[in-house]
Amino acid sequence: DAGITQSPRYKITETGRQVTLMCHQTWSHSYMFWYRQDLGHGLRLIYYSAAADITDKGEVPDGYVVSRSKTENFPLTLESATRSQTSVYFCASWRAGRNEQFFGPGTRLTVL
Amino acid sequence: DQQVKQNSPSLSVQEGRISILNCDYTNSMFDYFLWYKKYPAEGPTFLISISSIKDKNEDGRFTVFLNKSAKHLSLHIVPSQPGDSAVYFCAASAANSGYALNFGKGTSLLVTP
Repeated sequence: DAGITQSPRYKITETGRQVTLMCHQTWSHSYMFWYRQDLGHGLRLIYYSAAADITDKGEVPDGYVVSRSKTENFPLTLESATRSQTSVYFCASWRAGRNEQFFGPGTRLTVL
Repeated sequence: DQQVKQNSPSLSVQEGRISILNCDYTNSMFDYFLWYKKYPAEGPTFLISISSIKDKNEDGRFTVFLNKSAKHLSLHIVPSQPGDSAVYFCAASAANSGYALNFGKGTSLLVTP
């Protein structure tokens, strides 16, 4: 199906472990984004990418790493997970012309 | 520092009446504003947007008003329906920000029958 998919949808991990959240879009949109949603903060931008091999930091990038070797994939890696990274993570892509971002269903990550 | 503010965490409205959700921003470089609707356990879905060159945009029951001098925008839903019950996020972007969005904290709307 067309759209944005995220995997896993739910993940429980332990402090210090490496975790990778996957994001895949079928539209070939150039821009992709990672946000986290926490109570009392709304959605905050972690990283974004303008195209394959082009990434840039957002508001809260510390502790995260991204890569984009293919236009359709934009994985987010927590190199050493901390409890403060417990959150819901949303991936999005930007659609030219309509000037809106499409969001995936989210990944709920719990770090114990 | 929150650049987009939604000062009302929640709003309750009767079915058929108007819902007005408010949003303020501080960054004068913002030139595009969007409203997203979010149900639990789902991603935000785009609702309506407005460019800074306009002061109003309508789409069916939804209208967004922009007051640039006051750095304020509002979303009007008329008439409100129970299915409109959700969290509404105001978001803004600047031309030089790579289309990244700055979000408010959201307003939870409850439409009662």
